[in-house]
Amino acid sequence: NAGVTQTPKFQVLKTGQSMTLQCAQDMNHEYMSWYRQDPGMGLRLIHYSVGAGITDQGEVPNGYNVSRSTTEDFPLRLLSAAPSQTSVYFCASRQGGQKSWETQYFGPGTRLLVL
Amino acid sequence: DAKTTQPNSMESNEEEPVHLPCNHSTISGTDYIHWYRQLPSQGPEYVIHGLTSNVNNRMASLAIAEDRKSSTLILHRATLRDAAVYYCIPFQTGANNLFFGTGTRLTVIP
Repeated sequence: NAGVTQTPKFQVLKTGQSMTLQCAQDMNHEYMSWYRQDPGMGLRLIHYSVGAGITDQGEVPNGYNVSRSTTEDFPLRLLSAAPSQTSVYFCASRQGGQKSWETQYFGPGTRLLVL
Repeated sequence: DAKTTQPNSMESNEEEPVHLPCNHSTISGTDYIHWYRQLPSQGPEYVIHGLTSNVNNRMASLAIAEDRKSSTLILHRATLRDAAVYYCIPFQTGANNLFFGTGTRLTVIP
């Protein structure tokens, strides 16, 4: 299994540009989520999905859109990039269901710089 | 969500045991205690989790206080590859998401 994969690894955007960060998992996990991590900080939850066709907001959803058309993929869209969105973005997945003993798997991250 | 308190940073000598503490005094009775770590420039990775009794795996041991208000992650012999930020996360039963604090940055001294 490749696990959780993210593309691109690094991206530079200009203010106002839009882009999509890709996330895919091959573990047939129902739950997927996106976090951002600013320098010296912990991870903050942006959006999450408990299954195909179902998404919900996390702690910091403003400026981001998600959709979940397949179990495998969970793209994160930046509608109009702002310098405040400069961060490292991590995608994660878990088997699913509200089982608090489950392990969560993380991708390697996408580093985004907005000028 | 249960709040956690961890030291900002700790140091350990290589090949010495390391005890990383976490206070989670508001934890609910059915919340599992998860530990994740984040190596430099990588995504977080799972270390261990437990509910009430102590747990061991190939990476670490988890000691949970009898009242469950605190736990300690034990690395039996720290190596340079263990230098990371360690996060203690109570995972609430019925919740969907893991919420990260700022964790403990472990420095391993050769």
